[in-house]
Amino acid sequence: TQLLEQSPQFLSIQEGENLTVYCNSSSVFSSLQWYRQEPGEGPVLLVTVVTGGEVKKLKRLTFQFGDARKDSSLHITAAQPGDTGLYLCAGEKSNTGKLIFGQGTTLQVKP
Amino acid sequence: NAGVTQTPKFQVLKTGQSMTLQCAQDMNHNSMYWYRQDPGMGLRLIYYSASEGTTDKGEVPNGYNVSRLNKREFSLRLESAAPSQTSVYFCASRYVRSEQFFGPGTRLTVL
Repeated sequence: TQLLEQSPQFLSIQEGENLTVYCNSSSVFSSLQWYRQEPGEGPVLLVTVVTGGEVKKLKRLTFQFGDARKDSSLHITAAQPGDTGLYLCAGEKSNTGKLIFGQGTTLQVKP
Repeated sequence: NAGVTQTPKFQVLKTGQSMTLQCAQDMNHNSMYWYRQDPGMGLRLIYYSASEGTTDKGEVPNGYNVSRLNKREFSLRLESAAPSQTSVYFCASRYVRSEQFFGPGTRLTVL
């Protein structure tokens, strides 16, 4: 049973386009993390959101945590080929350190 | 400062063989984790160790055992490998309530 549904699973866009990745659950999380993973490497943390309604920006990436702390989104503005990779959301329950990952979104940005 | 290291990087086993995946971190982190990553499934937690001397099951523990040898090292053992255990295995560590740092992964094929 996938507790964290991530969509879309695949996305192929042209350089300069905008995109949004969604992460949804029926469970409440104490925090929601977004990771990026390159081929042959482990995931690397991009951001952690903790408070319901929180919005964090990292250059062209905007992360939002839902008011009820059950869902999150990642928006990329003016995507570049360097944004290509696998994006993973992960929810932590009750500050246990145990993460539940979404299925991942494979993003390809074509020049 | 090497972060999280994993050995081996690649391994091919025959059904029924056993092996141990090694993980070490030099960041003085309290908690360590073992995940497996399969296509379309994201990462799933196998076992974790909240602190030295303790281990606990994650989402998919069947067929695996772990040992928290000391604060630095956390090993994962497959006693009798099965083709369903073909996967990429990641070790991660974290300090108290901080991000998880992932190793580069071990790519395991069971024939």
